[in-house]
Order: sequence, then C-alpha cells, then structure tokens
Amino acid sequence: DAGITQSPRYKITETGRQVTLMCHQTWSHSYMFWYRQDLGHGLRLIYYSAAADITDKGEVPDGYVVSRSKTENFPLTLESATRSQTSVYFCASGTGGIGYTFGSGTRLTVV
Amino acid sequence: GENVEQHPSTLSVQEGDSAVIKCTYSDSASNYFPWYKQELGKRPQLIIDIRSNVGEKKDQRIAVTLNKTAKHFSLHITETQPEDSAVYFCAEDYGNNRLAFGKGNQVVVIP
Repeated sequence: DAGITQSPRYKITETGRQVTLMCHQTWSHSYMFWYRQDLGHGLRLIYYSAAADITDKGEVPDGYVVSRSKTENFPLTLESATRSQTSVYFCASGTGGIGYTFGSGTRLTVV
Repeated sequence: GENVEQHPSTLSVQEGDSAVIKCTYSDSASNYFPWYKQELGKRPQLIIDIRSNVGEKKDQRIAVTLNKTAKHFSLHITETQPEDSAVYFCAEDYGNNRLAFGKGNQVVVIP
C-alpha cells in the first residue's frame, strides 16, 4: 500500500554507528509500530506509539530509540549499531481494534 | 502475557487440497486474532481476522475458526493454488492494539 512508506529499503552500516530508519504514513492512523523480523523468531515488537508524543516499549526495545512528534512519522534510531541488530525492520500503522498495515521493510546489515 | 505458537512449522500440500494451520495462545484476555500472509521478500499482509465473539469467519477460499475455551484458532485454506505458497503468521492482540505474532508457517503448494 502506498500509504505507508519506509526508507531506506536497504542499509549497510558499521558497528557503533548511529542509524535512523524512517517510516511515513498518509492515513493519519493513530497507532504506529516497529517490528523486527529474524529467522526463527518471527516478528517481534520493538516500540509502538498510540498517538503523537506517546510511545512505549515493546518486547525488544534495548538499543533502539523512537520519537513521534507528528502523527504521520515514526522514525526508529539505533544509537550504536551492533551486529545483533542486523535484521529486516517493518513499520506498521493502524487505527486500533483491527489488523494493521505494514510498510515494505528495511533490510539492515551491521558489519 | 503474550505467547503464540504455530503448528506445523512447514506444510506441503498438493494443489487443490486443503491446508490447515493451528495457533495456540496464552492470554485469555485476548479478543482479536488476525492472520497475515508473507510472500518471499514482501511485507506481511492481513488476509483474515476474527474476534472473540465469533466462532468462524470465511472469505472465499480462506476461513478462520476460534476456540476460546481451548485457546486456539486455525486458518483453513481450501482448493489450494500455487499462489497460496507463502509464510503465514497468526497473531493475538494483547492490549493497546499490540500484536504478538507466532513464528510463522511455511506453506508449499505442489503443482
């Protein structure tokens, strides 16, 4: 769906660097989420946001920071990237009470 | 708590046969259960969902059944086609619109 976009699609970064993954949605959905997908672990929630300026930790938040100053944007920052953060990252948005829509994902490699 | 298990991990079926994937969950307070389909290299996409006040829901060749007493729900795909080959994820809403996902089932439809 064109309504939720992630950038970049692919990123290679070095250990210790800060990297920010972007997520933008055009539906004005109140809820936004960041998941990581790894083989053998499925999709795990990193952080979520119920509205602008309201964020909370998910299952695996360590090493990540989020912000949501505007309803449509929900960037995810890796403060000091580690190899264990190599993964595919999916952003998602929804209105609450129903399944949400995922972005196309960002494949991040930390070397 | 949030713990969703899917069985079997891989399922191979002949084209035209039916496929059934079962998920069990632990949080008795959960009341919303979506299923997502993920094709290789693509984003997860919502295909069907069910709420706890309903026992079964159908949409063309797919259906979902829910047994709240036993805390399990199942995805049924009838008349399988090659385009049904994908990874299927079940999930439960464990509060505040957060979804906990199972680890996924690989469905392979053999032509």
